[in-house]
Amino acid sequence: KNQVEQSPQSLIILEGKNCTLQCNYTVSPFSNLRWYKQDTGRGPVSLTIMTFSENTKSNGRYTATLDADTKQSSLHITASQLSDSASYICVVSAGKAAGNKLTFGGGTRVLVKP
Amino acid sequence: NAGVTQTPKFRVLKTGQSMTLLCAQDMNHEYMYWYRQDPGMGLRLIHYSVGEGTTAKGEVPDGYNVSRLKKQNFLLGLESAAPSQTSVYFCASSYRGQTQYFGPGTRLLVL
Repeated sequence: KNQVEQSPQSLIILEGKNCTLQCNYTVSPFSNLRWYKQDTGRGPVSLTIMTFSENTKSNGRYTATLDADTKQSSLHITASQLSDSASYICVVSAGKAAGNKLTFGGGTRVLVKP
Repeated sequence: NAGVTQTPKFRVLKTGQSMTLLCAQDMNHEYMYWYRQDPGMGLRLIHYSVGEGTTAKGEVPDGYNVSRLKKQNFLLGLESAAPSQTSVYFCASSYRGQTQYFGPGTRLLVL
């Protein structure tokens, strides 16, 4: 069964500090991995997408890494801001078809305190 | 561009009542999806559509029906609501299998 596990479930960091979120997956066949940001009461918004051949992708202060051999990904947030408070969801795709090929992780809830 | 919009934002139903959630997108996307999100769980796909007039079941389709009569709209129906259907429902659309764009969600409470 395809699974995506994220850790930690939640974390609190001080404004200006860095943090790293983890994502482990067992999805086959692997197509791509996305990180989404979901603000409270809003829908998820895509941050990054990586295919098998990419091992890092940045979007501003967000940097995602992918190790396809160990089936692990991380999302690093640099110099956190209060607006980074949100849930971050790791999503792994097993193909480009529209069907139930996406497996969502449970998310990591990040709270940035001043 | 409004992107993906959902109606209503919040609804309370009694067990056994029916309702329809409306999703609309103005990005001319072929694919549309309905998900539910429950506390501590990842989003789960209910139904999806790859084009006007076509729909298919996702991971958790029981108790729901869908229709895609127009390309820009995707309707999710609950014929006889149950407390287990209390959840937040998200609609999404994509250009074929690419990045999905999500709506703001509909919070449903079934008493």
